[in-house]
Amino acid sequence: QKEVEQDPGPLSVPEGAIVSLNCTYSNSAFQYFMWYRQYSRKGPELLMYTYSSGNKEDGRFTAQVDKSSKYISLFIRDSQPSDSATYLCAMSHHTGGFKTIFGAGTRLFVKA
Amino acid sequence: DTGVSQNPRHKITKRGQNVTFRCDPISEHNRLYWYRQTLGQGPEFLTYFQNEAQLEKSRLLSDRFSAERPKGSFSTLEIQRTEQGDSAMYLCASSQPTGTGELFFGEGSRLTVL
Repeated sequence: QKEVEQDPGPLSVPEGAIVSLNCTYSNSAFQYFMWYRQYSRKGPELLMYTYSSGNKEDGRFTAQVDKSSKYISLFIRDSQPSDSATYLCAMSHHTGGFKTIFGAGTRLFVKA
Repeated sequence: DTGVSQNPRHKITKRGQNVTFRCDPISEHNRLYWYRQTLGQGPEFLTYFQNEAQLEKSRLLSDRFSAERPKGSFSTLEIQRTEQGDSAMYLCASSQPTGTGELFFGEGSRLTVL
């Protein structure tokens, strides 16, 4: 079993839809939870960061962490064609030397 | 450009040859990471350095792989006797010594082994 599980999709939605992406994990030591966005042929870039449980909002993006269920989510409101990319969940912990473990990534297509 | 720089961007080689990739991190970042990414998968951790010290190495990294960061600045990843299964994108990332541990990635070096 992988430490981080993420449905690879692809997920196709119409412009303006609310997108829900999620991951589950098995290692209860994870403390830092992140979402990276990766465009084709580019390196990933950090989109959202959350420490421990709770919600965080940034513009159209909301990240949620539920440590009791070992489940994290990313919501995208009013999705745009420019949001079409692969979304990678990622997590790490101090005792792991900040080694970041990634999910497989979900490919998202937003149709105009 | 003050981002993470990787060279070469694409390398095509024949099975059995050695290849070396270079990564120049963001200058004030003391942590440097190598990841490997294959099609449809997320980045897989290979190894990481804090300054010049290699602190962790994945079990995925066979003894054909070696990474160095001799002066705590740039890093090289060498693959000896390449195999077709080594074909992948090799990503380098760096992070600050404190804070969130956010990884700043380069654009990757794509390896194709024929």
